[in-house]
Formats: sequence, structure tokens, C-alpha cells
Amino acid sequence: QSALTQPASVSGSPGQSITISCTGTSSDVGGYPYVSWYQQQPGKAPKLIIYDVTNRPSGVSNRFSGSKSGNTASLTISGLQAEDEADYHCTSYTTSSTLVFGTGTTVTVL
Amino acid sequence: QVQLVESGGGVVQPGGSLRLSCAASGFTFSFSGMHWVRQAPGKGLEWVAFIRFDGSAKYYADSVKGRFTVSRDISKNTLYLQMSSLRFEDSSVYYCAKDACSSTSCYYFDSWGQGTLVTVSS
Repeated sequence: QSALTQPASVSGSPGQSITISCTGTSSDVGGYPYVSWYQQQPGKAPKLIIYDVTNRPSGVSNRFSGSKSGNTASLTISGLQAEDEADYHCTSYTTSSTLVFGTGTTVTVL
Repeated sequence: QVQLVESGGGVVQPGGSLRLSCAASGFTFSFSGMHWVRQAPGKGLEWVAFIRFDGSAKYYADSVKGRFTVSRDISKNTLYLQMSSLRFEDSSVYYCAKDACSSTSCYYFDSWGQGTLVTVSS
């Protein structure tokens, strides 16, 4: 159950688009359509922003989008805003009927 | 609305035991699978355990298997995590989280508690 690999940090200017990758294996990300993403503000509990690779819960901005290719899932934030500064975590279902999180990515708005 | 309130955290010596609780309200607890997720200070999230809505199946991360036990009391709308043989690396904020689907698992969490801190220290 090795953690999925995410970049430690990603930054962008307001209005730009950024993409966060989440790389696993065929036993997790590549094998199932069950990748989700969470946004975590400092000192707060995580918040669901993407589920089942591409779906957005109601109330989540359409500036957030998800995709997957092979063993790598991606979260794109378009029209970057100051409020998007946070940590982002991916997670995937695995062949062991467990879940595994990514290493986490800190997004900085320049 | 959904509310999850964890309790039971504290300081414990290596090798010791602790039981965490998560009081649930605002949804039909007996229909929902529940998870425990932890986060060491300054680190990423780590999935710990899952219990099906009816308690018929439980799954654990390799890092806690054989040491932690997840359970639920439907009559009290409460989720538990019994932790034993605690190690320094178990020090984390422990969150309970509600699975997004009823009577099955969606493999993602739509509600989280605020967490309870467990510190393993001698």
C-alpha cells in the first residue's frame, strides 16, 4: 500500500490554470474509476471536490476538474484564485479493497 | 446536517492502547459505511480503516492491521477505533469520515469530523 505520488507543491498566478498529478499503479489508480480529490485548508478537515475521477459534488466550483490517463489521475484548477491556496489530496480504491491516499500537494497562488 | 464528532484522543505511551469514538448525527448512521483517516503533523492523509454499513466487513491499512479494530454501535450512532500496541508513528490527528453511499461503499468521503489528536510519547 504505497502512497500515490503527487508533486509536493504547485504554484500559479491568479487566473492561470494548474494541474496536479496523482500517480499510482494498475492496482489502484489505473485499475478502477474510483479516484477522488480533497481540498484541505490549514487547520481544517478535508473537503471533497472530485469523485469517481471526473465528478464534482454540488456546490463545488466548476473551475475544478478531474481526469485520468493510465495510472495517473489529474486535478486541474482553472482561473486560479487566492482562495484556492490549500493542500490537495488524491485517493484511490485498490485491489486489496482498501483506499490509498496521495502524498499531498500544496498549492500556492503567487 | 451531517455532524461527526471525534473524541478519545490524548497522550499514550508506546505499546499502550486507546479507544477513539465518533458520534454521528444528521444522517441514517445504520445505512452508512464509515472510515477512519489519520494525518501526522505536517504530513499527508493516510486511510486507516473502513467498516461496512452493517458491520459485515472491515478493512484496514497494512500499517495498522492486527493492532487496530474498527467497530460501530448502531444504538448509539457511534463509530469506534480501538488502537493497541501503539507506536510513535501512530501519532496523528484521527478523522472519522462518512462514506458517500448508503448500503454500499462509494470509496470516497462526503463528510468529515474535525479530528482528535493522538500522541504516542514516552
